[in-house]
Amino acid sequence: DAGVIQSPRHEVTEMGQEVTLRCKPISGHNSLFWYRQTMMRGLELLIYFNNNVPIDDSGMPEDRFSAKMPNASFSTLKIQPSEPRDSAVYFCASSLDNPNYGYTFGSGTRLTVV
Amino acid sequence: DAKTTQPPSMDCAEGRAANLPCNHSTISGNEYVYWYRQIHSQGPQYIIHGLKNNETNEMASLIITEDRKSSTLILPHATLRDTAVYYCIVRGYGGATNKLIFGTGTLLAVQP
Repeated sequence: DAGVIQSPRHEVTEMGQEVTLRCKPISGHNSLFWYRQTMMRGLELLIYFNNNVPIDDSGMPEDRFSAKMPNASFSTLKIQPSEPRDSAVYFCASSLDNPNYGYTFGSGTRLTVV
Repeated sequence: DAKTTQPPSMDCAEGRAANLPCNHSTISGNEYVYWYRQIHSQGPQYIIHGLKNNETNEMASLIITEDRKSSTLILPHATLRDTAVYYCIVRGYGGATNKLIFGTGTLLAVQP
């Protein structure tokens, strides 16, 4: 398996533009997680899906952020409009809904908003 | 709302065992202890987990105290490539508890 695949690896955009981050989880995994990492705040859980349904979005910072999982093999995290404080590394992770399975993380998308 | 306490940093000599402690005094009966690590600029990597018994895999050993209020991750022969931030996480199972909340972790520096 190729692992969790995120795209793009790097994104530089201007303030006010829409940004879409993409994630392909490991085939067969039914839980998907989006995290954001900054030096100031560390690793923060943004949203968690189980069987394509959002279970907990309490970490989504504000209405500018939205996430979707239209099917078991694809998820997006969208920021509209983007702001400089959104600059961070965004990680996607997937897992089975089973405590005996750890999460597998993707390589992340480094977002810079200028 | 991380439920664990870890030292911010530790040093270890290459080839020696690295013992990373974690306190989780408020852990409940159905919560597991997980360990992850993050090597600079990479995504976190799963290491090991346990409920109440000690566990061992090809990467590490996990020792959980009998009262489950603390645990120790052991890397038996640390190498320079083990330099990373190590996260100890308590996680429930089912519904909204099925999520990993990362704290600040322990930065392990393996010295040559």
